[in-house]
Amino acid sequence: TQLLEQSPQFLSIQEGENLTVYCNSSSVFSSLQWYRQEPGEGPVLLVTVVTGGEVKKLKRLTFQFGDARKDSSLHITAAQPGDTGLYLCAGVAPINDYKLSFGAGTTVTVRA
Amino acid sequence: DTGVSQDPRHKITKRGQNVTFRCDPISEHNRLYWYRQTLGQGPEFLTYFQNEAQLEKSRLLSDRFSAERPKGSFSTLEIQRTEQGDSAMYLCASSPRDRGNSPLHFGNGTRLTVT
Repeated sequence: TQLLEQSPQFLSIQEGENLTVYCNSSSVFSSLQWYRQEPGEGPVLLVTVVTGGEVKKLKRLTFQFGDARKDSSLHITAAQPGDTGLYLCAGVAPINDYKLSFGAGTTVTVRA
Repeated sequence: DTGVSQDPRHKITKRGQNVTFRCDPISEHNRLYWYRQTLGQGPEFLTYFQNEAQLEKSRLLSDRFSAERPKGSFSTLEIQRTEQGDSAMYLCASSPRDRGNSPLHFGNGTRLTVT
């Protein structure tokens, strides 16, 4: 079982549209990371959020960490085909700071 | 920084055979992790090393699985008497020890198929 629930599981949109991916948990995390994974490759870090309520922007990607540090969202503006991939959120629990627990991921497909 | 390297990239084996995978982490990283990923799922934690010490093993890691990190450099993951349920992508990752929220640097994995 995975502590982090991601939704939706699949998302298919047209180029230029916006999308939001959600990551929710009943547990508090000391930090939360977002990764993107392409087929046949390992996940690659996009961002780390640490402070409750924190918002980080990475070009067209906006990441938000919930005030209670239990949830997060990823918003992509004007999606491009290059944004296609599996988006994974992963949390570090306060009690064991070395261990990253992943959600099941959201598969995003951006059609040209 | 050449990144995390895993070998082999693909392995096909018959049920009951033993397999061994190798991971070479980023050289200055103290922490090394093994994760397993099946289709449609995120990576699941298997085990963690800090230098050469194996500090945690997941309950997912049955007695048929063993991991080592001699000398605190490369690591190996061995699966004995493979079963079809072992088919998955095995991912290795490393990170520096400085902070708990340090990002993981993943290799491109070893895809195991047990027939």
